[in-house]
Amino acid sequence: DTEVTQTPKHLVMGMTNKKSLKCEQHMGHRAMYWYKQKAKKPPELMFVYSYEKLSINESVPSRFSPECPNSSLLNLHLHALQPEDSALYLCASTRDRSSTYEQYFGPGTRLTVT
Amino acid sequence: GQNIDQPTEMTATEGAIVQINCTYQTSGFNGLFWYQQHAGEAPTFLSYNVLDGLEEKGRFSSFLSRSKGYSYLLLKELQMKDSASYLCAVYNAGNMLTFGGGTRLMVKP
Repeated sequence: DTEVTQTPKHLVMGMTNKKSLKCEQHMGHRAMYWYKQKAKKPPELMFVYSYEKLSINESVPSRFSPECPNSSLLNLHLHALQPEDSALYLCASTRDRSSTYEQYFGPGTRLTVT
Repeated sequence: GQNIDQPTEMTATEGAIVQINCTYQTSGFNGLFWYQQHAGEAPTFLSYNVLDGLEEKGRFSSFLSRSKGYSYLLLKELQMKDSASYLCAVYNAGNMLTFGGGTRLMVKP
């Protein structure tokens, strides 16, 4: 199984809503990543988890709150988002942070903030 | 700092060969990846280079010159389904993956 899954595929939310994005992998990977990708732009790193601990936060606003409940699951909790937060949110995983193996990407969640 | 440059767009004809270049300046180097991304979909892995030279995988080949900070992705026998964005990405010394802006390739009949 070399798959990273993400739910939901699409999400529309208002600026006062609270929602969560979910990412799951069963490859035994111990590093997981959240990226944000705007249209026609490359993915931008948001957070890195290594062995279920937050390793890197790329100065992301607090309205985005990551959580790693276990080694297979990564969540991104959303609250009080702005329309400019509309983007494709990609989850990725790799064997661990110290290796340079390829990152496996999930299909992404297309988020629209109204 | 990190700087990865790729052409923004390229157009090629079905059946032809196209070369997508990538130049990089990063704080350390631990490998270079090429990913393919169709619109609205996740990036998918194409190739990985960490040593100088050419890596061939079917219709796709990737070349790396570490001394020049340069890589290219070569696509042969182009097919319509190859129309996509191609992302060059570099692992720096801290094993953080930085992406170039991507090259949108349009394959025409």
